[in-house]
Amino acid sequence: AQSVTQPDIHITVSEGASLELRCNYSYGATPYLFWYVQSPGQGLQLLLKYFSGDTLVQGIKGFEAEFKRSQSSFNLRKPSVHWSDAAEYFCAVGFTGGGNKLTFGTGTQLKVEL
Amino acid sequence: GAVVSQHPSWVICKSGTSVKIECRSLDFQATTMFWYRQFPKQSLMLMATSNEGSKATYEQGVEKDKFLINHASLTLSTLTVTSAHPEDSSFYICSAAQTSGRRGYEQYFGPGTRLTVT
Repeated sequence: AQSVTQPDIHITVSEGASLELRCNYSYGATPYLFWYVQSPGQGLQLLLKYFSGDTLVQGIKGFEAEFKRSQSSFNLRKPSVHWSDAAEYFCAVGFTGGGNKLTFGTGTQLKVEL
Repeated sequence: GAVVSQHPSWVICKSGTSVKIECRSLDFQATTMFWYRQFPKQSLMLMATSNEGSKATYEQGVEKDKFLINHASLTLSTLTVTSAHPEDSSFYICSAAQTSGRRGYEQYFGPGTRLTVT
């Protein structure tokens, strides 16, 4: 069965510092990759997505992610974090033939220090 | 675009009663809607997938007689928690996909419904 791993449960960064959130998946087929952000008590907002083509994708709020097939990874990055970026971040993966279902990672809680 | 609403945003009900949660796609027609459950500080657990006019497909371990899903139209799906018990207390989130194929994996999420069963 496919799985999605977000190794970091919590990350704390200073405002203005760079950020990288890790995401790894396990499955042999071509993945469709997503990053979502969730503020407390809220639903999920799509930050960016990858279906095919350029492996470096740009998203909203200054986020980007890079798909590395050899490493089965889709890490999320931001060059300069703002205090408002503090939230829970989820990586999600879908696979061809998966009935449009997504498998979510366990999430990474981002704390931003002022 | 691609806005999904949920109603109510929070609900408190007594043990043994039923509660209905609505999920609407406001500005698009949803070919598929999904229902998730999220426990505090945990990830999302897919409960079921529903398509308009079809019976919902439930994930393994989810009681279909307890969690009734109706997808009455291309913009509305409902989740009814029947004979609710305190262990059903949770955050329920719906999502919708506006197409099929690989783009159908792009899901738009509602704001969630906090259910508390007393």
